[in-house]
Amino acid sequence: EVQLVESGGGLVQPGGSLRLSCAASGFTFSSSWMSWVRQAPGKGLEWVANIKQDGSEKYYVDSVKGRFTISRDNAKNSLYLQVNSLRVEDTAVYHCAREYSSGWYGIDYWGQGTLVTVSS
Amino acid sequence: IQLTQSPSSLSASVGDRVTITCRASQGISSYLAWYQQKPGKAPKLLIYAASTLQSGVPSRFSGSGSGTDFTLTISSLQPEDFATYYCQQLNRYPLTFGGGTKVEIK
Repeated sequence: EVQLVESGGGLVQPGGSLRLSCAASGFTFSSSWMSWVRQAPGKGLEWVANIKQDGSEKYYVDSVKGRFTISRDNAKNSLYLQVNSLRVEDTAVYHCAREYSSGWYGIDYWGQGTLVTVSS
Repeated sequence: IQLTQSPSSLSASVGDRVTITCRASQGISSYLAWYQQKPGKAPKLLIYAASTLQSGVPSRFSGSGSGTDFTLTISSLQPEDFATYYCQQLNRYPLTFGGGTKVEIK
């Protein structure tokens, strides 16, 4: 059974940092593109970033470029999102997600998410 | 690439045929997926490549379209289908989602 379990969220002040983690199991992690997708309270879905199987390619939504960094450790079956210079508008549930067929077909597995709240 | 879903919400009855549209601001071939999300839950993949039903998804769901105009159809709405539906384009970075369509009980 595929499982994606996020951790690392919490309450942080504007300008602060967090490191989000995602523990993956039940599939060959090193063979999958992985994504982070966020959802602000009561709002829609927003794709944040993704990373190729070997970490050699990374892509970001414009609003987080230069502030967020996606990474992975295939030996630990783990995905990470380092979030820096946080803004109030970054408040959201952050979902770890597995891309289906190298991303061409969407996201077939999602974690339940970790809540990041940016507030003073 | 911007995705515009319509309507943003709709009310329907069990057994109704429901159609949701997703329009892309530029052509995306067939690189479009549809998701269903229920409150407090992670999204679920329904359709990929615009018209291919994901394994385990009931056949009352169908997708069509290519280029800029896409449609998700529920042929006979069931009680468990009341949810919010999103489209996502996978043709070009940054990947984007539509704004969502909330399907409510009439």
